Amino acid sequence: QVQLQESGPGLVTPSQTLSLTCTVSGGSVSSGLFYWTWVRQPAGKGLEWVGRVYTSGSPNYNPSLKSRVTISLDTSKNQFSLKLRSVTAADTAMYYCAGATYYGDSTLWGQGTLVSVSS
Amino acid sequence: SYVLTQPPSVSVAPGKTAKITCGGNNIGSKSVHWYQHKPGQAPKLVILNDSDRPSGIPDRFSGSNSGNTATLTINRVEAGDEADYYCQVWHSSPDHVIFGGGTKLTVL
Repeated sequence: QVQLQESGPGLVTPSQTLSLTCTVSGGSVSSGLFYWTWVRQPAGKGLEWVGRVYTSGSPNYNPSLKSRVTISLDTSKNQFSLKLRSVTAADTAMYYCAGATYYGDSTLWGQGTLVSVSS
Repeated sequence: SYVLTQPPSVSVAPGKTAKITCGGNNIGSKSVHWYQHKPGQAPKLVILNDSDRPSGIPDRFSGSNSGNTATLTINRVEAGDEADYYCQVWHSSPDHVIFGGGTKLTVL
C-alpha cells in the first residue's frame, strides 16, 4: 500500500524559499501510476492546487503560482519536492502531497504539514 | 480563467438529503470530482468522474453533472458527514486543476 509523508521546515522567513519533500513508501515515484501533486490550504480558506509532476513531460503548475513554483522528482530517494520562492504571509498554509490521476482525482494523500511564513 | 462556484454552507437534518452544487461554465463537459475534508484530516475523495464512488464510499453519496451545474447528493445524512466539501475539475490551456471554494455541510 502506497503511503505519503510530507517533511520540511514549519517556519519560513518572508522573501525566502519554502522547501517541502514528500516521501513515497510502498511504491515507486517512477511507477507511472500517479501524478505527484501538491495541494495547500491557507487557514480558514479552501483547497488550492499548487502543481504536479510525472515521470515524463514537464510539470504543471497553478497559473497563479507558476512564476514562483518548482516541483520535481528525486527517483534515487523515492521522493518528490516543492519549492516556492519569494514567500509572503499569504503562503502560510497546510501543505498536502498527493498521488493523483491525469484528471486530478486522488485517493492517495499525505497527512499534511503546516508551514508558517513569518519573521 | 475557469471558476467553480459552490454555496458557502448547506444545513440539513439527520436522515434527510443534502445537495451541494458546483457551478461552472459548461461544467457538464468536464469530469467533476468531489472531496470530503474534515478538520485535522487529509481530503477524502467521495465521488470521481461525476458519479463514480471510490472503494469504501457508501452508496449514500452520489453525483451528477449536466449543463452548468454539478451536484453532490448525500442521502440519509449522518452526523459523521459534517465536513467541508469541494468540487474539482481538470482544465486545459494551460493544464491545471481547479477546486471550488468549498461548502461547509452542517448536520443540525
